[in-house]
Amino acid sequence: RKEVEQDPGPFNVPEGATVAFNCTYSNSASQSFFWYRQDCRKEPKLLMSVYSSGNEDGRFTAQLNRASQYISLLIRDSKLSDSATYLCVVGNSGGSNYKLTFGKGTLLTVNP
Amino acid sequence: NAGVTQTPKFRVLKTGQSMTLLCAQDMNHEYMYWYRQDPGMGLRLIHYSVGEGTTAKGEVPDGYNVSRLKKQNFLLGLESAAPSQTSVYFCASRRQVFGNEKLFFGSGTQLSVL
Repeated sequence: RKEVEQDPGPFNVPEGATVAFNCTYSNSASQSFFWYRQDCRKEPKLLMSVYSSGNEDGRFTAQLNRASQYISLLIRDSKLSDSATYLCVVGNSGGSNYKLTFGKGTLLTVNP
Repeated sequence: NAGVTQTPKFRVLKTGQSMTLLCAQDMNHEYMYWYRQDPGMGLRLIHYSVGEGTTAKGEVPDGYNVSRLKKQNFLLGLESAAPSQTSVYFCASRRQVFGNEKLFFGSGTQLSVL
């Protein structure tokens, strides 16, 4: 099982649609979880951290299921500007080291 | 406050040439990272540093060297470039505090090795 695995995509949705991305991770001891957004030819930027209780930021909702080692991102009422690649990121701590592992990303295109 | 600055933004090398990529951050971050991003491969960690004077290998360190002589700078060197090192390189930094601390990325370096 890959360390961090995401839906391969791509996802093509109309404006206003709801879209969900899934991500699984292999290390049950993983301690921190994030969703990053990357626009074409740009650097990744943090979209939101993912907490055990789940969290919401406007149209975006992130969920974490530790038992199933599963993370999700839900985008409601999608906008053209949401078109980007969404990266699932998992953090693990080992002594003084802190390792972040990135999924390969899921490409989302929102169409007018 | 510039954040994380990478130079150069673009570079073309011939096989066997050497070069150094510079990453500079002005946020007093302890941790710095070098990633490469290839189509279909996602971001892969090359080397990282947990503080001034320290470096450690990541997932794909072969063919690269790094140095962190000053806290604000993290250099990535290619001693003898190979076509397999054609990629987009991203530098990132973060604070030392463990937890939900976000990575700040530079804008990337597009490197082509012919």
